[in-house]
Order: sequence, then structure tokens, then C-alpha cells
Amino acid sequence: AQSVTQLGSHVSVSEGALVLLRCNYSSSVPPYLFWYVQYPNQGLQLLLKYTSAATLVKGINGFEAEFKKSETSFHLTKPSAHMSDAAEYFCAVSDRNNDMRFGAGTRLTVKP
Amino acid sequence: EAGVTQFPSHSVIEKGQTVTLRCDPISGHDNLYWYRRVMGKEIKFLLHFVKESKQDESGMPNNRFLAERTGGTYSTLKVQPAELEDSGVYFCASSQGTRYNEQFFGPGTRLTVL
Repeated sequence: AQSVTQLGSHVSVSEGALVLLRCNYSSSVPPYLFWYVQYPNQGLQLLLKYTSAATLVKGINGFEAEFKKSETSFHLTKPSAHMSDAAEYFCAVSDRNNDMRFGAGTRLTVKP
Repeated sequence: EAGVTQFPSHSVIEKGQTVTLRCDPISGHDNLYWYRRVMGKEIKFLLHFVKESKQDESGMPNNRFLAERTGGTYSTLKVQPAELEDSGVYFCASSQGTRYNEQFFGPGTRLTVL
């Protein structure tokens, strides 16, 4: 069975600081990994996905994530946080049937 | 192009009542998924339709939950009778084709069972 674990249910950073949201996965087959973001009162929006091509994946809004097989990790980063990045972020892994398994989410707060 | 829509956005019912949630996927998307998020916990997979057929319903909690997708278009998720632990946000998503394609999510239905 596939699963993901997100370390830290809440992360707070200052505007302009580095954003690092952690995700570790467990998978018996090569994983396909995703990061989604949910802004208040909206649905989940895809930030980026890893599908076995380049290990460093660039997404929207300046976010990127690096797939590290040796560490079973897929951490999300952004060099400089913006107030508009405040949201909840979900890491997910997909199986062959495209059935998604999500982490518990990390709520990002950005302080002025 | 319209995204995934869900109705209602909020529902408050009493224990023992019935509630039906509706999801309209993006036109042309054969895959339709239901997920649920109980407060503060992970988003959990409930089931997956391919057109009108249930591809995987391994996440359905119990037989009080019934999902249908008549004609392979919109889907309904009925909870009957509702229990307190059914409270949460129910998300619907749709995707095109097969294998690792992006799932597009609706805004969710927040269900509160009192």
C-alpha cells in the first residue's frame, strides 16, 4: 500500500523567507508524487507532480520539489515566501489506477 | 470551461437523516473520484468511477454510503442514515484518460451531522 507522511501540521515563515514543507512517501512500486494547495473556500489545485522524469520538478507560483529515492522524500520548497502563499498544502502519491493517497496536510502561515 | 462543481457547499443535518451530495465533473472526464476529509486529518480516498462503473470502492467506510454515477456524467453520494462521525468535507475530483493524469478538484461539500 502507498502512503505519504507530512511532517509538521503547521509551518510559519516570515515573508521573504525560505519555505520548506516536508513529505515522505512509502511505495512498493515507483511512485508518482504530487503537491496540491488549497486556498480558503476553494478546491485543491495542483502545484506540481513527479512522474519519473526529472527529479527536480518545478511548479506554479515559484514552488519546486525534489524527488529523492534514497530518502523516500519529496519536499516542497520556495526560495522566498509571499503573503499569498498562505494556504494548506497536501502531498499525495498515486498508484497505477490513479487512486490518490494524501498526507494530512500542512498549513502554511506567512508573517509580514 | 467550467471546473468540477459540487452541491451543496454546506449541509447540516441531524443524526439519522439522509443527505445526498452531488458532483459534476469536467465535461469529457471519464474518471470521477470521491474523497473525504475529517477535521484535521488526511484526505481519504472513498471511490473511483470510470464512466458509470465503480473501478475501486475500497475506501467506502460502510454500507451507509452509496455512490452512483448514472450515464457516466454527474455523481451522487448518499449517506443514509448519517452518523456523527460522517461529518467532514467531501471532495470530488475528475480526470481525463488513465494513469497519473492530474485530478481536478471541486471546492468540496462541508457536511455537519449533529
